Amino acid sequence: ETGVTQTPRHLVMGMTNKKSLKCEQHLGHNAMYWYKQSAKKPLELMFVYNFKEQTENNSVPSRFSPECPNSSHLFLHLHTLQPEDSALYLCASSQAHSQEGAQYFGPGTRLLVL
Amino acid sequence: LAKTTQPISMDSYEGQEVNITCSHNNIATNDYITWYQQFPSQGPRFIIQGYKTKVTNEVASLFIPADRKSSTLSLPRVSLSDTAVYYCLVGDENQGGKLIFGQGTELSVKP
Repeated sequence: ETGVTQTPRHLVMGMTNKKSLKCEQHLGHNAMYWYKQSAKKPLELMFVYNFKEQTENNSVPSRFSPECPNSSHLFLHLHTLQPEDSALYLCASSQAHSQEGAQYFGPGTRLLVL
Repeated sequence: LAKTTQPISMDSYEGQEVNITCSHNNIATNDYITWYQQFPSQGPRFIIQGYKTKVTNEVASLFIPADRKSSTLSLPRVSLSDTAVYYCLVGDENQGGKLIFGQGTELSVKP
C-alpha cells in the first residue's frame, strides 16, 4: 500500500545531530498522527494534527518537534535525542480525528540513536 | 497506560478459527472498538471496527456483548500469513477518550 509514505525508512543519528522524519498521505485525509513503537511495547501516540492544527501532544519531550504544513504532509524534527529514543516511528492518517473510521499507517522509520 | 487487556500470545494451526478477546472495562459511551494487525517492521493495518453487537467483513468478525466491556476478534480458517500481532484499540474514559493501543496479542499460526 502506498497511501501513507514515510522517509527515510531507516535512520542512524548521533545524540548531537538534527534530523527530520517525513510523512506524506495520498488519501485526502484531514488528520495525521505520529506514534512511537519501542521494542516489545504498545504503540504510543505522540502527536495528533487535525486540519493542520495540533490537537494532542502526549507529554512528548521537546527534543521531538512536529510540523504539519498542510493536511498531506507531516514532519517530525529531531534534535539532541537520547539512545532510549531509538524506536520505530509510525505516521498515520485518518479521514477525521475521530474514533470512528480507520487510521492508515505508513511503513515507519526505524531510528537508532547512538 | 493502556486500558485494554489481551492475551500476550496465542498459538493456532492452519485452518482453525481463532478468537482473540480484549477486555476494556473503562470504555466510554461513544467509543468504538477497533482491531489492527501488525507484521514485524511494518505499520499496523486496520482489520475491523464495531460499536456493539456483531460486525463482519471479508477478513474477520467482531463480537461485542451488550455491556461492551470486552470484544472478541474472530479470524476464520487462519493461514500461516495470519501470524502477526493483533491490537485492540479503544478510547479511555479516564483520559478523555484518548485512543490507546493494547499490548497486543502475538498470534502464531503453525502448519
